[in-house]
Amino acid sequence: AQKVTQAQTEISVVEKEDVTLDCVYETRDTTYYLFWYKQPPSGELVFLIRRNSFDEQNEISGRYSWNFQKSTSSFNFTITASQVVDSAVYFCALFSYNTDKLIFGTGTRLQVFP
Amino acid sequence: GAVVSQHPSWVICKSGTSVKIECRSLDFQATTMFWYRQFPKQSLMLMATSNEGSKATYEQGVEKDKFLINHASLTLSTLTVTSAHPEDSSFYICSALTGQRNSPLHFGNGTRLTVT
Repeated sequence: AQKVTQAQTEISVVEKEDVTLDCVYETRDTTYYLFWYKQPPSGELVFLIRRNSFDEQNEISGRYSWNFQKSTSSFNFTITASQVVDSAVYFCALFSYNTDKLIFGTGTRLQVFP
Repeated sequence: GAVVSQHPSWVICKSGTSVKIECRSLDFQATTMFWYRQFPKQSLMLMATSNEGSKATYEQGVEKDKFLINHASLTLSTLTVTSAHPEDSSFYICSALTGQRNSPLHFGNGTRLTVT
């Protein structure tokens, strides 16, 4: 069975604070992808990052960074110096090539206050 | 890059009527597309997997006679909500498998359905 857990339902921070969104996944597959998506109030899904199961290198993209640790089945997402425009719901997701399905976590609603 | 177009972006219909939502892959062929439903403040739940030229595979609890899926070509999948009821009001979003291992999935922008 595959599962994605985002334990934080809602997070509120003040602008310029750093914030980390947690993601823990379960899968028996050896080949899979992990994703983070941002969903602003308008509803569309904005792709942020994709990481395959063989690549544990952490990644930084501007104010965003991701920490992938297979040993703990975690793929955490950090926003540095948060901004009001970062306010959205963030979803972590797991794609398996065995099932060809993308399973989403429950999402974390981030509110950044000025 | 790969683009998925979903239409309409929003629709309001009366209870008892049917609504069709289209999902098109614009610059690639998608043998497999997925349909998700998202209720307010909830996650995206996979409804069904749509395969070109064959019957869709529905997730447990999704009524196949209510949510008709047709994937008649390599670039188009449609979801028809039949005899819609207010409880079907939701955000429906499709995604398509590109077949490219380094970029496996792309999403449409979603359709907000309101049944009055």
